[in-house]
Amino acid sequence: SQQGEEDPQALSIQEGENATMNCSYKTSINNLQWYRQNSGRGLVHLILIRSNEREKHSGRLRVTLDTSKKSSSLLITASRAADTASYFCATGFNFGNEKLTFGTGTRLTIIP
Amino acid sequence: DVKVTQSSRYLVKRTGEKVFLECVQDMDHENMFWYRQDPGLGLRLIYFSYDVKMKEKGDIPEGYSVSREKKERFSLILESASTNQTSMYLCASSPLTISGRAYNEQFFGPGTRLTVL
Repeated sequence: SQQGEEDPQALSIQEGENATMNCSYKTSINNLQWYRQNSGRGLVHLILIRSNEREKHSGRLRVTLDTSKKSSSLLITASRAADTASYFCATGFNFGNEKLTFGTGTRLTIIP
Repeated sequence: DVKVTQSSRYLVKRTGEKVFLECVQDMDHENMFWYRQDPGLGLRLIYFSYDVKMKEKGDIPEGYSVSREKKERFSLILESASTNQTSMYLCASSPLTISGRAYNEQFFGPGTRLTVL
């Protein structure tokens, strides 16, 4: 069963603008991760946030986590054409449980 | 860099054929995973393995089996391919979660797009 659901399903913005994607999940988690997938390719890990963290930054990426609302957001600042891709959130559970549950993804298109 | 390779980028098979998808990782990871990806459904876990010769069913194991004879190699087998198994198949690996650390980032291969006619 799908744990995470991304919102919106698709997003188009002008180059240079900020892009925000949201992820909601259903059960308690240990960590939440964001991945990027370029068209027809495998997924690439972007950032991981632990359940006891509220915000994390990596370059132009900012991730927030609100465990009380069971939601996370990914912000990409100053978007570039190369950011065009699908973005997935994935939730991890307890230590010793190695599985991740992926959402259905947000398709981001950056318009030059 | 972690490298996960898959045996084919594109594969076309006929209904009823036995299909083998191979995945190899070079980072000595304990865990390996097979997903299928379909539009609107995201990634769904088929099987995963946390050690040699060990396997566990994921969310959609029906019609599939797996083999892990060596740590670096994880094979997905479609015993009798059907048209509803036309999909993108993604392999991933991850190191063992270390107690006290959330460390289960997964590393993906490029995917195999399988078409069953």
